[in-house]
Amino acid sequence: GQNIDQPTEMTATEGAIVQINCTYQTSGFNGLFWYQQHAGEAPTFLSYNVLDGLEEKGRFSSFLSRSKGYSYLLLKELQMKDSASYLCAAKDSNYQLIWGAGTKLIIKP
Amino acid sequence: ETGVTQTPRHLVMGMTNKKSLKCEQHLGHNAMYWYKQSAKKPLELMFVYNFKEQTENNSVPSRFSPECPNSSHLFLHLHTLQPEDSALYLCASSHGGDQETQYFGPGTRLLVL
Repeated sequence: GQNIDQPTEMTATEGAIVQINCTYQTSGFNGLFWYQQHAGEAPTFLSYNVLDGLEEKGRFSSFLSRSKGYSYLLLKELQMKDSASYLCAAKDSNYQLIWGAGTKLIIKP
Repeated sequence: ETGVTQTPRHLVMGMTNKKSLKCEQHLGHNAMYWYKQSAKKPLELMFVYNFKEQTENNSVPSRFSPECPNSSHLFLHLHTLQPEDSALYLCASSHGGDQETQYFGPGTRLLVL
């Protein structure tokens, strides 16, 4: 079956760096998405990786290793507003999005 | 402001009620989606419309009935729901099919009593 694994919850300190991991098992692969979702709000698009390597966007970076079925989202200089759930989703060979259950990130002062 | 709006934001209904959820996108997209989001579970894709044609129905019970009158509007008609249908219902849109980058609305929080 197809599956996405990511930690349920993580805690980090304001100003620090945190890495949220995601492993995927899909029938074929056509890219991986990261979304941020604040409580009670819409998921918002953060990044899309289809090639191996690191994509950097300001304080957020996303990494992909297709051979390992692995991705991570790296958040630097954490701010209180980064407290949210982070959703990982992989696109399979039929272009279906397979979603993880999300990682709730708690930022402490 | 994501360009995708949903109404109502909150809904409480009894099992015998009939209600409708509305989604509107202002992004000029051609594909629209309904998802169910339950606590601590992955997003569940319910329906996909591409150029107003339904292209996906993921074994959703018939008590959920989608309607897509045009590329900008999507409805989810609800009738005789069960308490386990209580969840956040999210609408999303994308430029084309093949589930390109999707842009989500804020969702409707549904409680079925």
